[in-house]
Amino acid sequence: GAVVSQHPSWVICKSGTSVKIECRSLDFQATTMFWYRQFPKQSLMLMATSNEGSKATYEQGVEKDKFLINHASLTLSTLTVTSAHPEDSSFYICSARMGGEFSPLHFGNGTRLTVT
Amino acid sequence: GQNIDQPTEMTATEGAIVQINCTYQTSGFNGLFWYQQHAGEAPTFLSYNVLDGLEEKGRFSSFLSRSKGYSYLLLKELQMKDSASYLCAVSDSNYQLIWGAGTKLIIKP
Repeated sequence: GAVVSQHPSWVICKSGTSVKIECRSLDFQATTMFWYRQFPKQSLMLMATSNEGSKATYEQGVEKDKFLINHASLTLSTLTVTSAHPEDSSFYICSARMGGEFSPLHFGNGTRLTVT
Repeated sequence: GQNIDQPTEMTATEGAIVQINCTYQTSGFNGLFWYQQHAGEAPTFLSYNVLDGLEEKGRFSSFLSRSKGYSYLLLKELQMKDSASYLCAVSDSNYQLIWGAGTKLIIKP
């Protein structure tokens, strides 16, 4: 089955520093990956759609310069939270589809970010 | 606007059956997904419905009525490990997923 690997699982960083999160599709190629954020007891919020070889598409209200997305290959997308602040503390989850638009999203295990 | 409604929380007894409902209003429809999410973990795919009717997968079944904008997830022979949040998501006309807020299911012995 489709496997999406996300690293790190959790990270604690100081305010003002940057954190990079990696998302890999292990057994399939993903031209598109999706980055979500989830606050406690809330549903998933789509942040951006990562497109291999081109710029990411950001959802309204998500700062492009703060959440840098790079999709350098068909199996790797990265999300960098720049100049992190305590309000950026959240659960970040990447996902990808193995097939076309009718196929389900497969999620990475998520990254718990805590900014102190 | 686009909207997905599902109950916030439900409680059921181990061994019993529970039905989690989901109603939706979206611009277009390209299928409805159910995901299970345990606390602190990422969602895992449970089922997909694009045509009306019932899809059965072991202890879990999912039903869809497109004319009513309605789906339900049916869990049978409940086990303690089924305690989780269940997310309903609809794929709209642009194949964008619209997510419900999730239903937290509490299983009691």
